[in-house]
Amino acid sequence: GAVVSQHPSRVICKSGTSVKIECRSLDFQATTMFWYRQFPKKSLMLMATSNEGSKATYEQGVEKDKFLINHASLTLSTLTVTSAHPEDSSFYICSALPGLAGGILTDTQYFGPGTRLTVL
Amino acid sequence: AQSVTQPDIHITVSEGASLELRCNYSYGATPYLFWYVQSPGQGLQLLLKYFSGDTLVQGIKGFEAEFKRSQSSFNLRKPSVHWSDAAEYFCAVGATNDYKLSFGAGTTVTVRA
Repeated sequence: GAVVSQHPSRVICKSGTSVKIECRSLDFQATTMFWYRQFPKKSLMLMATSNEGSKATYEQGVEKDKFLINHASLTLSTLTVTSAHPEDSSFYICSALPGLAGGILTDTQYFGPGTRLTVL
Repeated sequence: AQSVTQPDIHITVSEGASLELRCNYSYGATPYLFWYVQSPGQGLQLLLKYFSGDTLVQGIKGFEAEFKRSQSSFNLRKPSVHWSDAAEYFCAVGATNDYKLSFGAGTTVTVRA
């Protein structure tokens, strides 16, 4: 249980194009999803918190117009990297926080496998 | 603001030997603490977590961690490592109000035969 998928697993795009990454909770509903960025040999950096039905909350220093986040349903959040440039190349990871599960609020984030973005 | 320090960037251990990964955190209240493992090409998998109660936490794959408030530490241990334990290990601290996680820089574990 508590499986989170991401699609695509890897994407290569040209500079200036936009790329959409999907994050899905497969067997539970997630009122909150998180988006992280991981640089090579580095830790995960939280980019934004996505709540179903409301605007995402971005961490300081993250450009909200470049990284568009939509949390349209309780099982799907999307991250769109707009007008991507080579410096946006990175490993993007999402996580999902289960809502009420059997009447119990869970406090653990479950992570997707990540999406490797390469911008040429 | 919360933060995590993992002092060891890389640890090499022989198969069958014990392993201890260090984690120190900074947080103003009682934290939520987690250990995740990341294998190449795979997502982060939760090994164990501490929210409250017993300070010695048992996790999956034979791992355990001990919360020591006086030392602001949450070290991860395994008595006997297997070659499959070679991976990147992340300690994280979570805020109790919004569940945001702050990760340490990670420790790479190499297991030699």
